[in-house]
Amino acid sequence: DAGVIQSPRHEVTEMGQEVTLRCKPISGHDYLFWYRQTMMRGLELLIYFNNNVPIDDSGMPEDRFSAKMPNASFSTLKIQPSEPRDSAVYFCASSSGGNTIYFGEGSWLTVV
Amino acid sequence: AQSVTQPDIHITVSEGASLELRCNYSYGATPYLFWYVQSPGQGLQLLLKYFSGDTLVQGIKGFEAEFKRSQSSFNLRKPSVHWSDAAEYFCAVAAGSSASKIIFGSGTRLSIRP
Repeated sequence: DAGVIQSPRHEVTEMGQEVTLRCKPISGHDYLFWYRQTMMRGLELLIYFNNNVPIDDSGMPEDRFSAKMPNASFSTLKIQPSEPRDSAVYFCASSSGGNTIYFGEGSWLTVV
Repeated sequence: AQSVTQPDIHITVSEGASLELRCNYSYGATPYLFWYVQSPGQGLQLLLKYFSGDTLVQGIKGFEAEFKRSQSSFNLRKPSVHWSDAAEYFCAVAAGSSASKIIFGSGTRLSIRP
């Protein structure tokens, strides 16, 4: 079985540019999560979806961040405009039934 | 609100020695508890989980963890570590109305001394 697939794996962008991170969850999973990992703040839950509907976005840091899930097999996390402090590893994860989540390999974002 | 505390930021043990990584949680109801491992440059991999039943759970790679409700703890153990166990270990708790909101601790980095 294919796991959670994220793209791009690595991205370097200039401050002010728009960044779009993509995720394909495991087929059949009904929950999708976006996490951000930094040295300073550890692993933070940004937002999660159930059946394509956002359930809790309280972890989204500010209005520059937005996430969508237009269908069961695709989600995006967008940062516009990006800032250097957004540099982090962004993980997408999915689960069936809401627990035991499976992670993708992450998108390593550097904003210069 | 639910939370997870991993009090040890970094632990070093000798290869072949036993290991215990500590995890304490805060949650009003019976939690779902997890341990994940992250190797450098990789995503997180599930080691084991506790939902109910036997409080001693076995996981992959020879790891086990014990749920102690009285201590609000879910410590991870391994009787004999291998050099390949060097990684970051995360404890997590699932909470929320459907136990779907999964909160992670800050992690413990494990180094292995040859």
